[in-house]
Amino acid sequence: DVKVTQSSRYLVKRTGEKVFLECVQDMDHENMFWYRQDPGLGLRLIYFSYDVKMKEKGDIPEGYSVSREKKERFSLILESASTNQTSMYLCASSLRAGKLFFGSGTQLSVL
Amino acid sequence: AQSVTQPDIHITVSEGASLELRCNYSYGATPYLFWYVQSPGQGLQLLLKYFSGDTLVQGIKGFEAEFKRSQSSFNLRKPSVHWSDAAEYFCAVGASGTASKLTFGTGTRLQVTL
Repeated sequence: DVKVTQSSRYLVKRTGEKVFLECVQDMDHENMFWYRQDPGLGLRLIYFSYDVKMKEKGDIPEGYSVSREKKERFSLILESASTNQTSMYLCASSLRAGKLFFGSGTQLSVL
Repeated sequence: AQSVTQPDIHITVSEGASLELRCNYSYGATPYLFWYVQSPGQGLQLLLKYFSGDTLVQGIKGFEAEFKRSQSSFNLRKPSVHWSDAAEYFCAVGASGTASKLTFGTGTRLQVTL
């Protein structure tokens, strides 16, 4: 089975800190995605990547950046965390035009 | 731009009863459509998908969905709900050619009473 692993299940950070959320997939998928999930808003796409060193903005990229140095790893970076970035962050991967496989999520709290 | 509407935030059904979760989409061409389920504390799991062909698609766990182009709908159904189906359900739409870049609805939380 495909496994998408997110490095932390729960994370607590302070306002202004630089935060790294890590995601690793083990199935050689080209595509990787970062979504955030908020009650009543569903999932919203932050960034995605179709290939190594390639990234594209999603619907809500402000305040975030990403890095994809290796095919299996996709990192989400909050340059200066703010309280409105408190959320559940979900990483996903897929083959081209295939179904998304999701990680279990990272619940980030910014205090 | 593509969008998805799930008009029901919360639905409660009795175990053994039938279920229908509504999903309406907006997209200019033939969309790729998906239903995902999220159990508490878990990531999302794909239930079923529609790309083309037969408009009635079967998925896992006894779920099915019907694509109705005239109504821009892709409703999820199950004839008999089990207590383990309690979860949050998300409908999603993807543009053809970039099916992996999905736009999700706001979700419907299903509660099952015994």
